Amino acid sequence: DIQMTQSPSTLSASVGDRVTITCRASQSISTWLAWYQQKPGKAPKLLIYKASNLKNGVPSRFSGSGSGTEFTLTVSSLQPDDFATYYCQQYTSSPLTFGGGTNVEIK
Amino acid sequence: EVQLVQSGAEVKKPGESLKISCKGSGYTFTTYWIGWVRQMPGKGLEWMGTIYPGDSDTRYSPSFQGQVTISADKSINTAYLQWSSLKASDTAIYYCARRDMTTEHFDYWGQGTLVTVSS
Repeated sequence: DIQMTQSPSTLSASVGDRVTITCRASQSISTWLAWYQQKPGKAPKLLIYKASNLKNGVPSRFSGSGSGTEFTLTVSSLQPDDFATYYCQQYTSSPLTFGGGTNVEIK
Repeated sequence: EVQLVQSGAEVKKPGESLKISCKGSGYTFTTYWIGWVRQMPGKGLEWMGTIYPGDSDTRYSPSFQGQVTISADKSINTAYLQWSSLKASDTAIYYCARRDMTTEHFDYWGQGTLVTVSS
């Protein structure tokens, strides 16, 4: 199985901050990576697919980059609605696997 | 508008059986895979398996193979996740999600079904 490791597990930030979350794969996954946002008590929502493609309707302050084994999700200017947990997911091979999550909390 | 609507919360005893559902609307149900994802209390996301409602082709994660059964009834645009004998460790929220047509990320998610297994 491909292991996905996110860092940090918790991130404290303020509104307006630039925030970066890292996701590392245990082997190369090309760009077959998605990012999801989950708020407490809600289902995950897709933000980015194929490492850097923004889903329609997702604010442009979100961006993704990377290939191979290292990926980043960046929020250029954190907004109140962005405090949530973020997960990466690889889909190059079965079983599909998710990172452990990064909780972005208010500083 | 694409929607996945899941059945309501369940409280069951160990050893009981259960089948939860996920009804799709707003798109052609038979042409998109539907996946199931588990989230245990306070934990992350785990992929359980995926079904193609068009022909019921099903893929399971090795961690869940033999533990659950995924099925679909394309006549009513509904996918199912079932257990024959629940354990306390099955307590979790279960999400269905539509898989993108060409790659395996999940573009739309159901609201989740909380399953509580307790004696």
